[in-house]
Amino acid sequence: QKEVEQDPGPLSVPEGAIVSLNCTYSNSAFQYFMWYRQYSRKGPELLMYTYSSGNKEDGRFTAQVDKSSKYISLFIRDSQPSDSATYLCAPFSGGYQKVTFGTGTKLQVIP
Amino acid sequence: GAVVSQHPSRVICKSGTSVKIECRSLDFQATTMFWYRQFPKQSLMLMATSNEGSKATYEQGVEKDKFLINHASLTLSTLTVTSAHPEDSSFYICSATSPMDSLFGGNTIYFGEGSWLTVV
Repeated sequence: QKEVEQDPGPLSVPEGAIVSLNCTYSNSAFQYFMWYRQYSRKGPELLMYTYSSGNKEDGRFTAQVDKSSKYISLFIRDSQPSDSATYLCAPFSGGYQKVTFGTGTKLQVIP
Repeated sequence: GAVVSQHPSRVICKSGTSVKIECRSLDFQATTMFWYRQFPKQSLMLMATSNEGSKATYEQGVEKDKFLINHASLTLSTLTVTSAHPEDSSFYICSATSPMDSLFGGNTIYFGEGSWLTVV
């Protein structure tokens, strides 16, 4: 079993739709849960992070973590064409530990 | 602006030659840097952990003699792909852990823009 599982997509949605991106993980030591956005041929950029279970909202983005089921979600409201990118979930133990990435979900928002 | 800089962003080399990629942390000292490789339509795969002043720690399956990592200073780590072959063509990305922003147990992870290597 992979440490982090993520549906690679691609996921195509019309502009304005609500997008749900999900990951599951197996390592109980993960405490921090990050979402990175990666545009084509670019390095990943940190989008959001949460610590332990719960929700965190930042503008149109909401990150959700359920540690009991080891399930991570990212919701995008009112999706825009500029949101078209690959989204990678990255659970993390903290400190100077390595980051484990999901495969990434490619999202395309169609105008 | 970018807090981690990679150079070159693109490089083409002939098969059998060596190529060096630099990763620099800007405005902070990075005792630990990580090197990733990403093949098309795949996720980032950790290659090695680069520790300043000591030997790098390689992930299973990564040839340490082929992918030489040097972290000689607190702001610079280099990855040298030796005797490159076409199958080494990939997107190489570094990340550095900064103690500045106190996000993750006192550290924040920043990624470079990546380096595209094409071996012909």
